[in-house]
This record gives sequence, structure tokens and C-alpha cells, in this order.
Amino acid sequence: GAVVSQHPSWVICKSGTSVKIECRSLDFQATTMFWYRQFPKQSLMLMATSNEGSKATYEQGVEKDKFLINHASLTLSTLTVTSAHPEDSSFYICSYSYNEQFFGPGTRLTVL
Amino acid sequence: AQSVSQHNHHVILSEAASLELGCNYSYGGTVNLFWYVQYPGQHLQLLLKYFSGDPLVKGIKGFEAEFIKSKFSFNLRKPSVQWSDTAEYFCAVGSGGYNKLIFGAGTRLAVHP
Repeated sequence: GAVVSQHPSWVICKSGTSVKIECRSLDFQATTMFWYRQFPKQSLMLMATSNEGSKATYEQGVEKDKFLINHASLTLSTLTVTSAHPEDSSFYICSYSYNEQFFGPGTRLTVL
Repeated sequence: AQSVSQHNHHVILSEAASLELGCNYSYGGTVNLFWYVQYPGQHLQLLLKYFSGDPLVKGIKGFEAEFIKSKFSFNLRKPSVQWSDTAEYFCAVGSGGYNKLIFGAGTRLAVHP
């Protein structure tokens, strides 16, 4: 199956700083990708959908100015958590849609 | 709004036991249904899917699921589990194929030898 990587796999930062998470598809190009977040013992919640070359569509309740998504190319998407706070601590997972959804391994963000 | 409910958060079984994980969904239109598996330290992987046709769907590694429209259910089954089935299992509902998946909370399965 297709391979999707995320970097970093985990990050710890101070409150108020910004954190960028990269998501790469390693062996295919796809126009559509998704970002999810998962709190402990809870479901994956879709945050946003983006198509390469256009703005992301955010789900209800997700602040677009706080979670900046840049779908820079068919193989790279980034999620930037701006001015992170402890409540943003979570597991962030990206996926690419190419006939089916292929998921990255996730990035664990801890904000102190 | 769509939602997915998985009944069991943790399941512990011995090898060779039978498995059934419950999944119920709420959605007013045509749905596509999925089960994903996440082995320790690995990515989410597609286990099986239902789009249309035969409501009994067979997936990889001996898993199957049955879509019962009247019960809004898509339960996952395996007649005899193995230690290697230890993982977390997620039920998901989608509209428009694989797009915009709504996930259940997941069921953590531990299989003891």
C-alpha cells in the first residue's frame, strides 16, 4: 500500500509557540488530503480537508487561524498549530485520498 | 450529523476465541462503511469496506463484517483470533467514497496466547 510519513513523530513545546507538522506521501501524488486529531481514548476527529492548490475546508468548531494548513504540493502538506496551548495537546494524523485513504503514523503534540 | 458508536472500548480474548466488535452509526443517507486496524506503532490500515451489494463483506486476515441496514450496524467478526490480531480497531462511516470519514472511538483488542 501507499506510504505516508509525518514529521516529527512527537514534539513538546512551550505554550505560546507555533509548531509545524509535515505530512508527505512517499510513493504517490494525490490532490486531496485530510487532517485529524485524536484525544486519548477518543475517536479520530476530522479537522479539515484540503485540495492541492486551494484553501482548506475546516470542520465546524475548528479555528482556521489557529490550525494553518498548507497543501503545498501533491506530496506535501503541513499543519501549523499557532500559539499552541495545553488544550491543543493531542495526536495529529494526516491522510491522503487516492482511491482510498492512506494514513500517516501520527504526531503527538504536547504543549507545556 | 453522522456519528459512529463502538460498544466496546477494551476487549481481552484468548487465542482461538471468536471475536465480534460492535459498530452502530447514524446517518440519513447512503453510507459507506469501513473497519480500520492500527497495530502497535503502525499506521491505520484498511481492514475491509462496504459500499454496496452483498452485506457480508470479507476483508484481510480472516476478518468479515455484516452490514445490517435495519439496525444501522456494521459489526466486525473473526471466528478464531490470533495473538497477532492485538491492535486497535476503528469503525468509520463515509460519504462520497473514502472522503470525509467519521470514526468511532476505537476498540482496543488484546489477544493472549
